[in-house]
Amino acid sequence: AQKITQTQPGMFVQEKEAVTLDCTYDTSDPSYGLFWYKQPSSGEMIFLIYQGSYDQQNATEGRYSLNFQKARKSANLVISASQLGDSAMYFCAMSSNFGNEKLTFGTGTRLTIIP
Amino acid sequence: DGGITQSPKYLFRKEGQNVTLSCEQNLNHDAMYWYRQDPGQGLRLIYYSQIVNDFQKGDIAEGYSVSREKKESFPLTVTSAQKNPTAFYLCASSPGPHYGYTFGSGTRLTVV
Repeated sequence: AQKITQTQPGMFVQEKEAVTLDCTYDTSDPSYGLFWYKQPSSGEMIFLIYQGSYDQQNATEGRYSLNFQKARKSANLVISASQLGDSAMYFCAMSSNFGNEKLTFGTGTRLTIIP
Repeated sequence: DGGITQSPKYLFRKEGQNVTLSCEQNLNHDAMYWYRQDPGQGLRLIYYSQIVNDFQKGDIAEGYSVSREKKESFPLTVTSAQKNPTAFYLCASSPGPHYGYTFGSGTRLTVV
């Protein structure tokens, strides 16, 4: 079975600073995918970034980057130059490459950006 | 624009009633999913479907039912057997592995 652990229930960060949101995972599958989603107070889930388990380089999307350490089974999200609009819940998720595409989600981290 | 539409946005259910949450997508995605979100528990999978006329139970399927008669539609029925249905329900679709999901805007169900 797959499991995602997010140990930071909440974080407060000063505007314009960088922030790292932690995510560790557990799986016995040799091939898997790791995702980060943002959920603003309105409730919709917004896809941010994806990392495949066999990707050689860490994924980046604009101000978002994924610090993927396979041996440690961690997939931390780094947001550079944080903005007030980054205040939201952030969820880490993983998929198995076998059988189906269903995602297993962590419990989330609530990020608050302080002006 | 392509996307997923969930309706209604808010739904109130009386004790003992069945209610159906709508989910429609025009993205031509084969796979569709229903998740339940409770405070502090993240998202939990209720049901998923990878192809028309086929669906599988997720981790918390008891008290729920689904159908997949058309590729575009994946309605979720919350039955009276679901003892604690008050939650936020999210529908999603995916074109395949490693593409992630596109989510709808959610339905907030409250038992009154």
